[in-house]
Amino acid sequence: DVVMTQSPLSLPVTLGQPASISCRSSQSLVYSDGNTYLNWFQQRPGQSPRRLISKASNRDSGVPDRFSGSGSGTDFTLKISRVEAEDAGVYYCMQGTHWPGTFGQGTKVEIK
Amino acid sequence: EVQLVESGGGLVKPGGCLRLSCAASGFTFSDAWMSWVRQAPGKGLEWVGRIKTKADGGTADYAAPVEGRFTISRDDSDNTLYLHMNSLKTEDTAVYYCATGLMGVWGKGSTVTVSS
Repeated sequence: DVVMTQSPLSLPVTLGQPASISCRSSQSLVYSDGNTYLNWFQQRPGQSPRRLISKASNRDSGVPDRFSGSGSGTDFTLKISRVEAEDAGVYYCMQGTHWPGTFGQGTKVEIK
Repeated sequence: EVQLVESGGGLVKPGGCLRLSCAASGFTFSDAWMSWVRQAPGKGLEWVGRIKTKADGGTADYAAPVEGRFTISRDDSDNTLYLHMNSLKTEDTAVYYCATGLMGVWGKGSTVTVSS
C-alpha cells in the first residue's frame, strides 16, 4: 500500500498567522489519466471529515479561499493563509490514485 | 442538498455480524461510486472498501483487514448502500462513514462496537 506521511503531526498556530502541512507519498500519485488524486480533509471535533481540496489543488465549493493545496508527484502541501478559530481540528491527506486509498496520520491544528 | 445517512450500528459480540445502511439523497446515486471509511476511537481514517456503479461493472474492492469478512452492496432502486460485516473482531470497533466515491460528501457515521 502507498504510505502517506504527514508533518508536523501537531501544529499550534496563532490566530491570523499562516499554517502549512506537508504530505509525502511513497509512490507517485500521478494516475494513468494524468490526474493526481490527492485530497485534503478537515475533521473538526465531533464531526465527519469534510473535503477541502481534491486533485491536489482544486478547492471544494464553499471552502474559504484561505485554504490552498499545491504539489505534485510525491510531495504535497496544504496552506492556510490566515488561521481562524474555526480552523481548529485534524487535517488528513489521502491518495486515491492507487488501490487501496490511504490516509496520512493526521495533523492536529490547535489555535494558540 | 446532497445527503448521506448511515444507520444500523450497535454493540455486537466478537464473531458476530451486523449490516450498516447508508441512505443517499440529492444526487443520482446510481451514477456514483460509493465508499465506506472507518475511524477507530481516537485514531485516524481507514478506507474499508468501495463499490463501482453498475455501468462500471458493479464490483467492490476491499482493504486487506476486512477482505473476506465484509461485503459492500448497493440497491440503486432504493438509493441505499450497504456494508455487511461478518466474523467481527474487537479491532473492527469504529465509527463507519459512507462517502461518495471521490470522498466529496460524507455521512455523519454509525458507531459499531465489538465487545464481549
